[in-house]
Amino acid sequence: GIQVEQSPPDLILQEGANSTLRCNFSDSVNNLQWFHQNPWGQLINLFYIPSGTKQNGRLSATTVATERYSLLYISSSQTTDSGVYFCAVLYSSASKIIFGSGTRLSIRP
Amino acid sequence: SQTIHQWPATLVQPVGSPLSLECTVEGTSNPNLYWYRQAAGRGLQLLFYSVGIGQISSEVPQNLSASRPQDRQFILSSKKLLLSDSGFYLCAWRKGANTEAFFGQGTRLTVV
Repeated sequence: GIQVEQSPPDLILQEGANSTLRCNFSDSVNNLQWFHQNPWGQLINLFYIPSGTKQNGRLSATTVATERYSLLYISSSQTTDSGVYFCAVLYSSASKIIFGSGTRLSIRP
Repeated sequence: SQTIHQWPATLVQPVGSPLSLECTVEGTSNPNLYWYRQAAGRGLQLLFYSVGIGQISSEVPQNLSASRPQDRQFILSSKKLLLSDSGFYLCAWRKGANTEAFFGQGTRLTVV
């Protein structure tokens, strides 16, 4: 079946540090999204990024579909960035959305 | 604009009782709809998805079922809950191919 792998599984950083989260997927995909799950469980849409690079403030994402990976960059981390980050791949042919296992990010003050 | 509603937010149910969770989407038509479950500290497992009224695809054999009685309504049900059904249930929608998915607020189910 379709595999979506995220690394690292856990990441602990000091406030102000930068981080890179990775998402690898085993098959060609039409689309990819990054989400942040806050402490209340809500999934916040960060990026919808089938290919290329997008930036939103301190966050940016890059997807290289031909090489089957995506990266999420967080610069100048803040404690509010803590939580779990998920990537999800969207397959238009099968209408499925498959999630990776997530990266748990903890930002220490 | 489109919105997704999911209720209830929390639910405590005894083992063996029935379950009905509802999800509705406003502001769009013929969305793709999804039910996910998240166990504590784990990732999101796709349970069911639907591309149209009455069309349900099941991803994982389990004690649950889904129905789509109306275009923008997706219901997750169980006849008899098990302890293992506890978790955080999330509903999602997207318009179709090559579009972004959006999630509801979730229902935290505890089976006791």
